[in-house]
Amino acid sequence: AQSVSQHNHHVILSEAASLELGCNYSYGGTVNLFWYVQYPGQHLQLLLKYFSGDPLVKGIKGFEAEFIKSKFSFNLRKPSVQWSDTAEYFCAVKAASGTYKYIFGTGTRLKVLA
Amino acid sequence: GAVVSQHPSRVICKSGTSVKIECRSLDFQATTMFWYRQFPKKSLMLMATSNEGSKATYEQGVEKDKFLINHASLTLSTLTVTSAHPEDSSFYICSASGRGEQYFGPGTRLTVT
Repeated sequence: AQSVSQHNHHVILSEAASLELGCNYSYGGTVNLFWYVQYPGQHLQLLLKYFSGDPLVKGIKGFEAEFIKSKFSFNLRKPSVQWSDTAEYFCAVKAASGTYKYIFGTGTRLKVLA
Repeated sequence: GAVVSQHPSRVICKSGTSVKIECRSLDFQATTMFWYRQFPKKSLMLMATSNEGSKATYEQGVEKDKFLINHASLTLSTLTVTSAHPEDSSFYICSASGRGEQYFGPGTRLTVT
């Protein structure tokens, strides 16, 4: 069955620390990959996406993610977090063709201490 | 990115009444829209896939008679929560598909008293 795993459910970091959030998926074909952020009380915003090409994807707000096909992973990184990065982060996967249906991970709640 | 709106953003209704939530894609036509439900501190749960001009496809465990979905045009899908109960209180999010991805609306917070 198709699935997405986000192993870190809660992460607490101090400002300026580096961030890496894990995302692993289970799917037998070619995929598109997404990271979304949801700030407290706000709606989902797209951070970055991977469709094809360079497996290192840069997104908004200094975030990046690397698609490692052999590991079925799409980990999110940021070299130096800020207090304003406190939010919930969701990884999502969809088949590259034939559907728009996403499979979401369970989310990672990040708290950045000032 | 594309813009998707939802109306209302918040609604409070009494138990037993019905509530309609609208989802509009403002700058593109979406043949497929999705409806999600998000519980507090939880991930998004896909409720149904809404296809323009045809019946919605509901996920397992979602009551189609309770959550009525209508996708009457390429820019509008509606979710009606019928005979609402307090356990239906939640955050409902829609998305519209296009250009290979989904574009999410801002969500509707439903509170049933």
